[in-house]
Amino acid sequence: GQSLEQPSEVTAVEGAIVQINCTYQTSGFYGLSWYQQHDGGAPTFLSYNGLDGLEETGRFSSFLSRSDSYGYLLLQELQMKDSASYFCAVSYNFNKFYFGSGTKLNVKP
Amino acid sequence: DAMVIQNPRYQVTQFGKPVTLSCSQTLNHNVMYWYQQKSSQAPKLLFHYYDKDFNNEADTPDNFQSRRPNTSFCFLDIRSPGLGDAAMYLCATSRDHGTDTQYFGPGTRLTVL
Repeated sequence: GQSLEQPSEVTAVEGAIVQINCTYQTSGFYGLSWYQQHDGGAPTFLSYNGLDGLEETGRFSSFLSRSDSYGYLLLQELQMKDSASYFCAVSYNFNKFYFGSGTKLNVKP
Repeated sequence: DAMVIQNPRYQVTQFGKPVTLSCSQTLNHNVMYWYQQKSSQAPKLLFHYYDKDFNNEADTPDNFQSRRPNTSFCFLDIRSPGLGDAAMYLCATSRDHGTDTQYFGPGTRLTVL
């Protein structure tokens, strides 16, 4: 089966940098994605890593180490609107996705 | 413009009364997914279509069925909803295989009375 571990909740202040870690166990691993979900909304795609290394998209960066089965999402220059839940998700066996339980990020003024 | 549309946004049904949720996409994507998400939990994949090929997750209850009559539309049928089936149901699409971005619809919140 698949398993993903990420912290349940993180709190940070506006303007700060926060890192959300994700460790996974899966067979047929393709890649690791990150999604943001605001309360009552649908998940929206943030970033994808298929190979080891860092992917940067504006204020958000994501990292993957396949040998360590580990990745993280880095959010810089935090804004109040970044308060949301962040899910890591593994894609495996061609077309399947398994989501972690999500990290609730609270950004405080 | 909306790319993945789900109707209705809110659905109330009675215990045991069949219900159908619909999803349509304007992206012409090959893959369509149905997820169930309960409060404060992760989206859980129920099944997906790659074109017309149906793929069921092993732990998806038999109570849940799906149809994809064409590229644009996909339906989730719940044959006999129980109280435990109350959840947000999310439809998503991706262009091709599992490395592609998934685009989610706004979801249908199902209430079972």
